[in-house]
Amino acid sequence: QVQLQESGPGLVRPSETLSLTCAVSGYSISSGYYWGWIRQSPGKGLEWIGNINHSGTTYYTPSLKSRVAISVDTSRNQFSLKLSSVTATDTALYYCARLVWYEVLIDYSNAGYFQLWGQGTLVTVSS
Amino acid sequence: DIQMTQSPSSLSASVGDRVTITCRANQSISSYLNWYQQKPGKAPKLLIYLASTLQSGVPSRFSGSGSGTDFTLTINTLQPEDFATYFCQQSYNTPLTFGQGTKVEVK
Repeated sequence: QVQLQESGPGLVRPSETLSLTCAVSGYSISSGYYWGWIRQSPGKGLEWIGNINHSGTTYYTPSLKSRVAISVDTSRNQFSLKLSSVTATDTALYYCARLVWYEVLIDYSNAGYFQLWGQGTLVTVSS
Repeated sequence: DIQMTQSPSSLSASVGDRVTITCRANQSISSYLNWYQQKPGKAPKLLIYLASTLQSGVPSRFSGSGSGTDFTLTINTLQPEDFATYFCQQSYNTPLTFGQGTKVEVK
């Protein structure tokens, strides 16, 4: 049974860097799929942040791209999120997920859907 | 970005009812549309992918249809465990975007 578990600080100071890790059990990241992050807040709803595969290929949402870095550690079977220069608007429930990722046949773009989710972790940005 | 709009935002229904939720994209997304169910305090769960394919383990009372810009999630014979919030998500291009959700409440 594949499981994803987020971990990291629940409180981050404004202007600092939010760091979260997602540990994957029951499946080797090296075997395939993409692995990503989504956040959910009352004001913005569900927001895709970005994802990565085992070889380090990443996709990020443009609105956060300048502040986001997603990395993978296949030896530990986990992947991580770093979001820099946080403000109160980054306060949200953060989820990690496994994605089915593919090339869209019509225009050869890449996209996907979220097949499995972690339970989520609340991150509050406050001084 | 592709905007996804769900309707209604909430609905009241009874056990045994047939429920229909609509999701509309502001441009054609072919069949690249997915549905999720979220219960309070839980992560979303994939129900249907690519408009109409039922995810493994999801009861057959859930079904999806549509293509282009208009999509529908139908729950036949609503069960007590189906009271939840449902989201659509387009997987046509990035950034991946979600609808705002439809809450199915007890009448």
